[in-house]
Amino acid sequence: SQTIHQWPATLVQPVGSPLSLECTVEGTSNPNLYWYRQAAGRGLQLLFYSVGIGQISSEVPQNLSASRPQDRQFILSSKKLLLSDSGFYLCAWRDMLAGSHSPLHFGNGTRLTVT
Amino acid sequence: AQTVTQSQPEMSVQEAETVTLSCTYDTSESDYYLFWYKQPPSRQMILVIRQEAYKQQNATENRFSVNFQKAAKSFSLKISDSQLGDAAMYFCAYRSASSRGAQKLVFGQGTRLTINP
Repeated sequence: SQTIHQWPATLVQPVGSPLSLECTVEGTSNPNLYWYRQAAGRGLQLLFYSVGIGQISSEVPQNLSASRPQDRQFILSSKKLLLSDSGFYLCAWRDMLAGSHSPLHFGNGTRLTVT
Repeated sequence: AQTVTQSQPEMSVQEAETVTLSCTYDTSESDYYLFWYKQPPSRQMILVIRQEAYKQQNATENRFSVNFQKAAKSFSLKISDSQLGDAAMYFCAYRSASSRGAQKLVFGQGTRLTINP
Protein backbone atom coordinates (compact mmCIF):
# COMPACT_ATOMS: atom_id res chain seq x y z
CA SER A 1 0.00 0.00 0.00
CA GLN A 2 1.02 3.60 -0.47
CA THR A 3 2.07 5.56 2.59
CA ILE A 4 3.82 8.80 3.40
CA HIS A 5 6.10 9.36 6.36
CA GLN A 6 7.01 12.78 7.64
CA TRP A 7 9.25 13.57 10.58
CA PRO A 8 9.75 14.89 13.13
CA ALA A 9 6.21 15.53 14.37
CA THR A 10 7.26 18.50 16.47
CA LEU A 11 10.41 20.58 16.57
CA VAL A 12 11.57 23.53 18.64
CA GLN A 13 14.60 25.32 17.25
CA PRO A 14 16.37 28.58 18.17
CA VAL A 15 16.62 31.44 15.74
CA GLY A 16 19.64 31.07 13.51
CA SER A 17 19.83 27.29 13.75
CA PRO A 18 19.57 24.99 10.71
CA LEU A 19 16.51 22.98 9.77
CA SER A 20 15.95 19.67 8.07
CA LEU A 21 12.50 18.12 7.68
CA GLU A 22 12.21 14.85 5.83
CA CYS A 23 9.42 13.15 3.96
CA THR A 24 9.38 9.76 2.26
CA VAL A 25 6.73 7.99 0.25
CA GLU A 26 6.33 4.23 -0.07
CA GLY A 27 4.46 2.08 -2.53
CA THR A 28 4.70 4.26 -5.60
CA SER A 29 7.27 5.56 -8.05
CA ASN A 30 7.91 8.97 -9.59
CA PRO A 31 5.32 10.78 -7.48
CA ASN A 32 4.92 14.53 -7.47
CA LEU A 33 6.03 15.79 -4.07
CA TYR A 34 5.02 18.97 -2.25
CA TRP A 35 5.85 21.05 0.82
CA TYR A 36 3.07 23.23 2.23
CA ARG A 37 3.11 25.55 5.23
CA GLN A 38 0.09 26.35 7.33
CA ALA A 39 0.18 29.38 9.63
CA ALA A 40 -2.00 29.21 12.74
CA GLY A 41 -5.70 29.27 11.84
CA ARG A 42 -5.04 29.82 8.15
CA GLY A 43 -4.96 27.99 4.87
CA LEU A 44 -2.14 26.13 3.23
CA GLN A 45 0.57 27.89 1.28
CA LEU A 46 2.52 25.93 -1.31
CA LEU A 47 6.25 26.33 -0.73
CA PHE A 48 7.88 23.85 -3.11
CA TYR A 49 6.96 21.06 -5.46
CA SER A 50 8.96 18.48 -7.35
CA VAL A 51 8.11 16.44 -10.42
CA GLY A 52 11.29 14.35 -10.34
CA ILE A 53 14.68 13.75 -8.76
CA GLY A 54 16.61 16.99 -8.49
CA GLN A 55 13.73 19.02 -9.93
CA ILE A 56 12.49 21.64 -7.50
CA SER A 57 10.04 24.47 -8.14
CA SER A 58 9.76 27.26 -5.58
CA GLU A 59 6.51 29.10 -5.19
CA VAL A 60 7.45 31.89 -2.83
CA PRO A 61 10.76 33.62 -2.03
CA GLN A 62 11.79 32.68 1.45
CA ASN A 63 14.39 31.47 3.84
CA LEU A 64 13.78 27.82 3.01
CA SER A 65 15.00 25.42 0.35
CA ALA A 66 13.99 21.95 -0.78
CA SER A 67 15.79 18.99 -2.26
CA ARG A 68 14.82 15.64 -3.74
CA PRO A 69 17.87 13.39 -3.58
CA GLN A 70 15.88 10.22 -4.29
CA ASP A 71 12.67 9.48 -6.13
CA ARG A 72 10.55 9.16 -3.01
CA GLN A 73 12.40 11.48 -0.64
CA PHE A 74 11.72 15.18 -0.20
CA ILE A 75 13.65 17.37 2.24
CA LEU A 76 12.88 20.87 3.48
CA SER A 77 15.87 22.81 4.78
CA SER A 78 17.07 26.09 6.09
CA LYS A 79 20.58 27.27 6.93
CA LYS A 80 19.38 29.81 9.50
CA LEU A 81 15.86 29.80 10.88
CA LEU A 82 13.85 32.98 11.40
CA LEU A 83 11.02 33.52 13.85
CA SER A 84 8.68 33.85 10.89
CA ASP A 85 9.49 30.27 9.85
CA SER A 86 7.36 28.95 12.71
CA GLY A 87 4.33 27.04 11.50
CA PHE A 88 2.90 23.70 10.57
CA TYR A 89 4.62 22.05 7.63
CA LEU A 90 2.89 19.43 5.55
CA CYS A 91 4.46 17.13 3.01
CA ALA A 92 2.21 15.73 0.30
CA TRP A 93 2.44 13.48 -2.72
CA ARG A 94 0.43 12.76 -5.81
CA ASP A 95 0.32 9.50 -7.67
CA MET A 96 1.02 10.41 -11.28
CA LEU A 97 0.00 6.92 -12.42
CA ALA A 98 -3.50 7.27 -10.96
CA GLY A 99 -4.81 9.67 -13.57
CA SER A 100 -5.25 13.39 -13.93
CA HIS A 101 -7.94 13.52 -11.27
CA SER A 102 -5.74 12.03 -8.56
CA PRO A 103 -5.72 14.01 -5.32
CA LEU A 104 -2.89 14.99 -3.02
CA HIS A 105 -2.19 12.74 -0.05
CA PHE A 106 -0.73 14.38 3.01
CA GLY A 107 1.66 13.39 5.75
CA ASN A 108 0.88 14.03 9.40
CA GLY A 109 2.78 17.30 9.45
CA THR A 110 5.55 18.89 11.50
CA ARG A 111 4.87 21.62 14.00
CA LEU A 112 7.91 23.90 13.98
CA THR A 113 8.42 26.51 16.67
CA VAL A 114 11.32 28.90 16.28
CA THR A 115 12.27 30.56 19.55
CA ALA B 1 -3.56 33.05 -11.03
CA GLN B 2 -6.36 30.98 -9.64
CA THR B 3 -7.81 31.86 -6.28
CA VAL B 4 -10.15 30.02 -3.93
CA THR B 5 -12.40 31.84 -1.48
CA GLN B 6 -14.22 30.42 1.52
CA SER B 7 -16.34 33.22 2.90
CA GLN B 8 -17.37 31.45 6.12
CA PRO B 9 -14.51 31.35 8.63
CA GLU B 10 -16.71 29.44 11.09
CA MET B 11 -19.91 27.43 10.93
CA SER B 12 -21.83 25.41 13.49
CA VAL B 13 -24.59 22.86 13.20
CA GLN B 14 -26.61 20.64 15.49
CA GLU B 15 -25.78 16.98 15.45
CA ALA B 16 -27.87 15.08 12.86
CA GLU B 17 -28.68 18.28 10.97
CA THR B 18 -27.45 19.32 7.53
CA VAL B 19 -24.87 22.03 6.90
CA THR B 20 -23.51 23.59 3.70
CA LEU B 21 -20.04 25.08 3.40
CA SER B 22 -19.45 27.62 0.65
CA CYS B 23 -16.56 27.89 -1.77
CA THR B 24 -16.01 30.06 -4.82
CA TYR B 25 -13.03 30.14 -7.12
CA ASP B 26 -11.65 32.32 -9.84
CA THR B 27 -10.22 30.84 -13.02
CA SER B 28 -10.19 31.43 -16.76
CA GLU B 29 -9.74 27.74 -17.48
CA SER B 30 -12.46 25.36 -18.54
CA ASP B 31 -10.93 22.11 -17.33
CA TYR B 32 -9.92 21.65 -13.73
CA TYR B 33 -10.50 19.68 -10.55
CA LEU B 34 -12.02 20.71 -7.26
CA PHE B 35 -11.53 19.08 -3.88
CA TRP B 36 -12.74 19.32 -0.32
CA TYR B 37 -10.29 18.35 2.40
CA LYS B 38 -10.99 17.92 6.10
CA GLN B 39 -8.45 18.75 8.81
CA PRO B 40 -9.50 17.44 12.25
CA PRO B 41 -7.70 18.51 15.45
CA SER B 42 -4.99 15.96 14.67
CA ARG B 43 -4.16 18.29 11.73
CA GLN B 44 -3.97 15.47 9.23
CA MET B 45 -5.40 16.49 5.86
CA ILE B 46 -8.05 14.03 4.69
CA LEU B 47 -9.66 14.04 1.28
CA VAL B 48 -13.45 14.27 1.58
CA ILE B 49 -14.66 14.54 -1.99
CA ARG B 50 -13.53 15.60 -5.47
CA GLN B 51 -15.20 16.91 -8.60
CA GLU B 52 -14.04 16.99 -12.19
CA ALA B 53 -15.14 20.19 -13.94
CA TYR B 54 -16.10 18.42 -17.15
CA LYS B 55 -18.62 16.26 -15.28
CA GLN B 56 -22.00 17.89 -14.81
CA GLN B 57 -23.11 15.39 -12.20
CA ASN B 58 -22.40 16.45 -8.63
CA ALA B 59 -20.07 14.16 -6.71
CA THR B 60 -21.32 12.33 -3.63
CA GLU B 61 -19.54 10.29 -0.95
CA ASN B 62 -21.93 8.84 1.60
CA ARG B 63 -23.14 11.80 3.72
CA PHE B 64 -21.05 14.29 1.76
CA SER B 65 -22.16 15.86 -1.49
CA VAL B 66 -21.28 18.90 -3.53
CA ASN B 67 -23.23 21.49 -5.45
CA PHE B 68 -20.99 22.34 -8.39
CA GLN B 69 -22.12 25.39 -10.33
CA LYS B 70 -19.52 25.85 -13.07
CA ALA B 71 -20.91 29.07 -14.54
CA ALA B 72 -21.05 30.66 -11.10
CA LYS B 73 -17.66 29.16 -10.16
CA SER B 74 -19.16 27.81 -6.99
CA PHE B 75 -18.38 24.51 -5.25
CA SER B 76 -20.26 24.07 -1.98
CA LEU B 77 -20.07 21.05 0.32
CA LYS B 78 -23.17 19.64 1.97
CA ILE B 79 -22.84 17.41 5.00
CA SER B 80 -25.99 15.50 5.86
CA ASP B 81 -26.77 13.91 9.22
CA SER B 82 -23.85 15.73 10.86
CA GLN B 83 -21.84 13.70 13.34
CA LEU B 84 -19.52 14.79 16.12
CA GLY B 85 -16.61 13.35 14.15
CA ASP B 86 -17.29 15.81 11.35
CA ALA B 87 -15.96 18.65 13.49
CA ALA B 88 -12.88 19.97 11.69
CA MET B 89 -11.46 22.64 9.43
CA TYR B 90 -12.68 22.16 5.89
CA PHE B 91 -10.63 23.36 2.96
CA CYS B 92 -11.76 23.83 -0.60
CA ALA B 93 -9.03 23.39 -3.22
CA TYR B 94 -8.55 23.89 -6.95
CA ARG B 95 -6.19 22.27 -9.41
CA SER B 96 -5.81 23.08 -13.07
CA ALA B 97 -6.01 20.25 -15.58
CA SER B 98 -3.44 21.89 -17.84
CA SER B 99 -0.01 20.31 -18.00
CA ARG B 100 1.59 23.47 -16.69
CA GLY B 101 -0.79 24.18 -13.84
CA ALA B 102 -1.59 20.60 -12.97
CA GLN B 103 1.16 20.42 -10.41
CA LYS B 104 -0.30 22.81 -7.89
CA LEU B 105 -3.24 22.58 -5.53
CA VAL B 106 -4.55 25.99 -4.47
CA PHE B 107 -6.40 26.11 -1.14
CA GLY B 108 -8.99 28.40 0.33
CA GLN B 109 -8.57 29.79 3.84
CA GLY B 110 -10.77 27.16 5.42
CA THR B 111 -14.03 26.96 7.36
CA ARG B 112 -14.03 25.72 10.93
CA LEU B 113 -17.06 23.50 11.48
CA THR B 114 -18.38 22.89 14.98
CA ILE B 115 -20.94 20.16 15.70
CA ASN B 116 -23.20 20.86 18.67
CA PRO B 117 -24.47 17.75 20.48
